[in-house]
Amino acid sequence: DAGITQSPRHKVTETGTPVTLRCHQTENHRYMYWYRQDPGHGLRLIHYSYGVKDTDKGEVSDGYSVSRSKTEDFLLTLESATSSQTSVYFCARKESWGSPLHFGNGTRLTVT
Amino acid sequence: ELKVEQNPLFLSMQEGKNYTIYCNYSTTSDRLYWYRQDPGKSLESLFVLLSNGAVKQEGRLMASLDTKARLSTLHITAAVHDLSATYFCAVDTNRDDKIIFGKGTRLHILP
Repeated sequence: DAGITQSPRHKVTETGTPVTLRCHQTENHRYMYWYRQDPGHGLRLIHYSYGVKDTDKGEVSDGYSVSRSKTEDFLLTLESATSSQTSVYFCARKESWGSPLHFGNGTRLTVT
Repeated sequence: ELKVEQNPLFLSMQEGKNYTIYCNYSTTSDRLYWYRQDPGKSLESLFVLLSNGAVKQEGRLMASLDTKARLSTLHITAAVHDLSATYFCAVDTNRDDKIIFGKGTRLHILP
């Protein structure tokens, strides 16, 4: 892996339930990002973090929250899952200004 | 709000031909990235462009950045089937740490 792992890799859940996706990095990088990928939309930024407890919204943050209590972990929570949140979710880490993103393998989430 | 537009969104081309993918963005930035994604896989970094006039090359791919025109290009020379993939550009805003992606260009190279 690229020093970043996502769990679970696949999840099926029901509408209205809360869901938490986990992203773990082993590189001690400052920046971490959550994206969703949907056909016809490319990757859209949900939330990102620029340090422990420092997070900000992205393009499509409604219905999602994040937490980063340790450098290595960045959690994405769907507070009450909806079918429109069925997607592939990617987490990424970035070392510093001008560094590229390194992506995890993705989590495929299905909300029924 | 930063907008990133790629075109074309889909490109089918013959092996051996040359072509260019375009990436336009809407606000000031001097940090632009290109990524590749194979079907069912994650994204991998191809190029990092950090200044006006930057040019990077790897094999049959060459990327350039014109910050004045807010335009980056990814040029494919003498395409081969192995280059079939989806290519994304992404822009790092100057104001904050958001990284915004284009919708991607799905490249299909016919033998």
